[in-house]
Amino acid sequence: DAGVTQSPTHLIKTRGQQVTLRCSPKSGHDTVSWYQQALGQGPQFIFQYYEEEERQRGNFPDRFSGHQFPNYSSELNVNALLLGDSALYLCASSQRTGWYEQYFGPGTRLTVT
Amino acid sequence: GDSVTQMEGPVTLSEEAFLTINCTYTATGYPSLFWYVQYPGEGLQLLLKATKADDKGSNKGFEATYRKETTSFHLEKGSVQVSDSAVYFCALTSTGANNLFFGTGTRLTVIP
Repeated sequence: DAGVTQSPTHLIKTRGQQVTLRCSPKSGHDTVSWYQQALGQGPQFIFQYYEEEERQRGNFPDRFSGHQFPNYSSELNVNALLLGDSALYLCASSQRTGWYEQYFGPGTRLTVT
Repeated sequence: GDSVTQMEGPVTLSEEAFLTINCTYTATGYPSLFWYVQYPGEGLQLLLKATKADDKGSNKGFEATYRKETTSFHLEKGSVQVSDSAVYFCALTSTGANNLFFGTGTRLTVIP
């Protein structure tokens, strides 16, 4: 049983560009959450999707947007990249009924130069 | 707002030593509390959890007790192994919330 998968593993972008990160949830899970983990810090909640809609959002600007597809996979989009967006982006999946049991992917390391 | 404060790291211990990583929290209502572990090159894994006061979560020899009176959830292990070397995160979810609030993490290194 594959766990949560994320792509790409690493990404280097230039300030002002746009980026799309992808996540496939663990089999049987219908809810996807995204977190940003800056170096040496704990993950910070960006937003959560289920039933293809954003259900809750953390304190992140509108430059951060997402999408969930009918197969429960998800994308995180970041526009107008800033140097401060450099971080590890984590995707976590869960079942709606047991939402707090979140399973995390290995993350995508984004570097903005 | 909700927050988690973790013991500053890094922590270096010899194999078979006793481990304590302190965690205190601030939250409204009745949060659920968690410890996650991040091994090198891997994603975060749920280590243990407690959903109400006085609950004790335990897994792989690690334990933590939900203390409402001291708003704490300290992680303990009686005898650490080299394989326990990782970063440990204390986290909470508030009543009615769908997201995790994490502490800053504590890096543990166990030397043989």
